[in-house]
Amino acid sequence: DVVMTQSPLSLPVTLGQPASISCRSSQSLLYSDGHTYLNWFHQRPGQSPRRLIYEVSHRVSGVPDRFSGSGSGTDFTLKISRVEAEDVGVYYCMQGSHWPWTFGQGTRVEIK
Amino acid sequence: EVQMVESGGGLVKPGGALRLSCAASGFDFTDAWVYWVRHVPGKGLEWVARFKSRADGGTTDYPAPLKGRFIISRDDSKNTLYLQMTTLKTEDTGTYYCVAALSYWGQGILVTVSS
Repeated sequence: DVVMTQSPLSLPVTLGQPASISCRSSQSLLYSDGHTYLNWFHQRPGQSPRRLIYEVSHRVSGVPDRFSGSGSGTDFTLKISRVEAEDVGVYYCMQGSHWPWTFGQGTRVEIK
Repeated sequence: EVQMVESGGGLVKPGGALRLSCAASGFDFTDAWVYWVRHVPGKGLEWVARFKSRADGGTTDYPAPLKGRFIISRDDSKNTLYLQMTTLKTEDTGTYYCVAALSYWGQGILVTVSS
């Protein structure tokens, strides 16, 4: 199975400041159809995960533009340009290129 | 409004069986790939099963360790997704989510396997 490794696992941030989460896969996520199926999810305390980003950099409808995704191959990044209070929770990267799909361990974002 | 509502969870003894259901509404269920995902304490999020839409072949897939013990099914006439779990192990304990199109998630339902 493809192993997804996130860093850091814990990220204290200051409101209004940027934040960045890294995700690395154990093999390339470039699929045979030319797409790279790397997603980012956010899970707030007590809620179900919510998809933010699909195919590396495409924001899901309704996701604020302070969230952005980038990367290729095996290295990916989620950036929050200015952290807001509602951004706390756990962020997961997830690959959908190789079955079984797999999630990273999660990065817990908290406000300092 | 999109809704995914799970039911059927609870406490079961090791070796036992349980059937989860998920009633979906507010979107075109027939065209959606549907899934079960679980959150196992200490292990994180794991894909349990997927069922492609009929238009995409209507096939099912499982991670190798679960194949043969878990069966996903769907009733498109009822907009309902199921997960039949058998020969349950303590390590199957966790919160199970039904998911559609990767964007629609249920609230999660707790399955506890313990003697």
